[in-house]
Amino acid sequence: EVQLVESGGGLVQPGGSLRLSCAASGFTFSDHYMDWVRQAPGKGLEWVGRTRNRPHSYTTEYAASVKGRFTVSRDDSRNSFYLQMNYLQTEDTAVYFCTRGAFCSGGRCPGPFDYWGRGTLVTVSS
Amino acid sequence: DIQMTQFPSTLSASVGDRVTITCRASQSISGELAWYQQKPGEAPKVLIYDASRLESGVPSRFSGDRSGTEFTLTISSLQPGDFATYYCQQYNSYSLTFGGGTKVEIK
Repeated sequence: EVQLVESGGGLVQPGGSLRLSCAASGFTFSDHYMDWVRQAPGKGLEWVGRTRNRPHSYTTEYAASVKGRFTVSRDDSRNSFYLQMNYLQTEDTAVYFCTRGAFCSGGRCPGPFDYWGRGTLVTVSS
Repeated sequence: DIQMTQFPSTLSASVGDRVTITCRASQSISGELAWYQQKPGEAPKVLIYDASRLESGVPSRFSGDRSGTEFTLTISSLQPGDFATYYCQQYNSYSLTFGGGTKVEIK
């Protein structure tokens, strides 16, 4: 059974930092892109960032709203995925979901988020 | 970034109704679009991918279609468990984007 479990959320002051983790199990982690998606309270879904897998040299992409402040990374040996968030702003307050992206062994690999974690809440407030 | 315009934002319907939600992309995304269902307090769940392919385990009353840059999600006969919020999402570009969501409410 595929499972994605986020951790690391909490309350942080504006300008602070937080690191989220996602523990994956039930599938071959290294075969897939991994993405973070967030949802502000009462709002819609916003894609945050992606890390591709080894065939694509672990390249990353970011939403414009977080580029330069957030960093996604992965550790295939630990089946884990991370989101380092720096210079946090009140607008970053949201539930952050870890999602499984496309299976990719090379070439272009478009695909939906077929598994999601339950999410972890990040609150940025003074 | 590719903008995804989703409408209506809210839809009131009754059990048994046929319901259609539309998503329009600001530029061509081929058929690289998914539809998700989200219930309160839960993570989203993929229903349709590649515009019209039904995800495994999803009831056949859900269907997706494409006409150019306009995409539709249709629920052929609304069931009590279908009252939820639905989102489209394009995965054609490096920067992935969601539509604003459609809340399907009980009439």
